[in-house]
Amino acid sequence: NAGVTQTPKFQVLKTGQSMTLQCAQDMNHEYMSWYRQDPGMGLRLIHYSVGAGITDQGEVPNGYNVSRSTTEDFPLRLLSAAPSQTSVYFCASSLREGSGYEQYFGPGTRLTVT
Amino acid sequence: AQSVTQLDSQVPVFEEAPVELRCNYSSSVSVYLFWYVQYPNQGLQLLLKYLSGSTLVKGINGFEAEFNKSQTSFHLRKPSVHISDTAEYFCAVSGNSGGSNYKLTFGKGTLLTVNP
Repeated sequence: NAGVTQTPKFQVLKTGQSMTLQCAQDMNHEYMSWYRQDPGMGLRLIHYSVGAGITDQGEVPNGYNVSRSTTEDFPLRLLSAAPSQTSVYFCASSLREGSGYEQYFGPGTRLTVT
Repeated sequence: AQSVTQLDSQVPVFEEAPVELRCNYSSSVSVYLFWYVQYPNQGLQLLLKYLSGSTLVKGINGFEAEFNKSQTSFHLRKPSVHISDTAEYFCAVSGNSGGSNYKLTFGKGTLLTVNP
């Protein structure tokens, strides 16, 4: 199993550009989520999905879009990048949206918006 | 809603010394508690979790944590640390009663630096 994979590892964008961060998992997990990590802030939930076709907002959803057409993939779209979106982005998955289920994290995408 | 406070943003220790990383939480419902570790330039990895039962939980790499309901704490301990334990440690909490309570809420992290 590859686990949770994310591409790209690094990305530099100019303000106003759009892009998609890719996330895939091969563990047949129902639940997937996107977090952003900023220094001294811990991880904050952006969007999550409890299964194909079902998504919902987390704590900091503004400026981001998601969709879940398959169980395996959960891309995160930045519609019009802003410097405030400079961050490290982590995708995670777990068997179910249940607190007893361990979340498995990808290696992260480091995004810089200039 | 839940919240997590990690009381120390940085903890420097010498190799082979004991360490305690402190975590307090608040919640209006019963909780599940987690500690994750993040090594430099990597994702997060689960160290241990408390779901129910014994309040002393053992995890990987010799770490353990004790759930204290009355003090709403879940402190992480290791009796003797190694250089390789240098990492950032995150405490996380979720409710256990369904719906939005299942969401994981993370603390801001504690950077453990083990010096030779």
